[in-house]
Amino acid sequence: AQTVTQSQPEMSVQEAETVTLSCTYDTSENNYYLFWYKQPPSRQMILVIRQEAYKQQNATENRFSVNFQKAAKSFSLKISDSQLGDTAMYFCAFMKLSWSSGDKLTFGTGTRLAVRP
Amino acid sequence: NAGVTQTPKFQVLKTGQSMTLQCAQDMNHNSMYWYRQDPGMGLRLIYYSASEGTTDKGEVPNGYNVSRLNKREFSLRLESAAPSQTSVYFCASSGWTGDSGANVLTFGAGSRLTVL
Repeated sequence: AQTVTQSQPEMSVQEAETVTLSCTYDTSENNYYLFWYKQPPSRQMILVIRQEAYKQQNATENRFSVNFQKAAKSFSLKISDSQLGDTAMYFCAFMKLSWSSGDKLTFGTGTRLAVRP
Repeated sequence: NAGVTQTPKFQVLKTGQSMTLQCAQDMNHNSMYWYRQDPGMGLRLIYYSASEGTTDKGEVPNGYNVSRLNKREFSLRLESAAPSQTSVYFCASSGWTGDSGANVLTFGAGSRLTVL
C-alpha cells in the first residue's frame, strides 16, 4: 500500500513571495503519478499540477512548479508570486499506474496555506 | 458541461436512518469513485468503479454500499447511518484524456453529511 505524508499542517506566506509545500510518499511501484490538488473554502477540489514518475523534468504550470526527487520519494510544490486567491488547503496525492483497476488516488492529510496581504 | 454533479449538498440524518448520495458525470468517463473527507485525514477512498458493471472496496468501505447504475451514475448508500459517518463526501470520475499522461480525476462539489 502507498502512503503520502504532508508534514506541514499549516503554512503562511506574504503576498507576492514564494512558498514551498512538502510531500513525501512511500511506494514499491516504479510507474506512478503524483498530483497536487487545491481545495479553497468553496470545498471544490481543483487540480494544480501533475507529474509522471518516468519523467525526469519537473512539471510547471504558470506560478506553480514541483521539485520531484524520485530516489528520495519527495514531491514538493513551489508557489511563486503568491496571491490571495492561493489561500486554500493543498493536498498531495499518489496514483499507481493501472490499466484495469481505475485511477485511485491516495491523498496526504493536507497543508493549509494562508496568504497574507 | 456540468462535469460531476452530486446530490444532495447537505443532509442531516439521525442515527439508524438510511440515505443515498447520488452522483452523475457527463464526461463519458469509465471510472467513478466515492471519497470521504474528515478533518486532519485528507480524502479516503470508500468505493470505486473502474468500469461500468464493476465495483470494488476502497480503504474505508464499512457501513456503505454502492451501485454503478450505468456509465454516468454511481450512488453511495448508507443503510444505517452512524455518527462516525459524519463527513464530507466527494464523488469523482476519470477517463482517457487523449494525452500520454495520467487520467485526471474530476471531483464533484461535495456533500456534507451530519449524523446525529
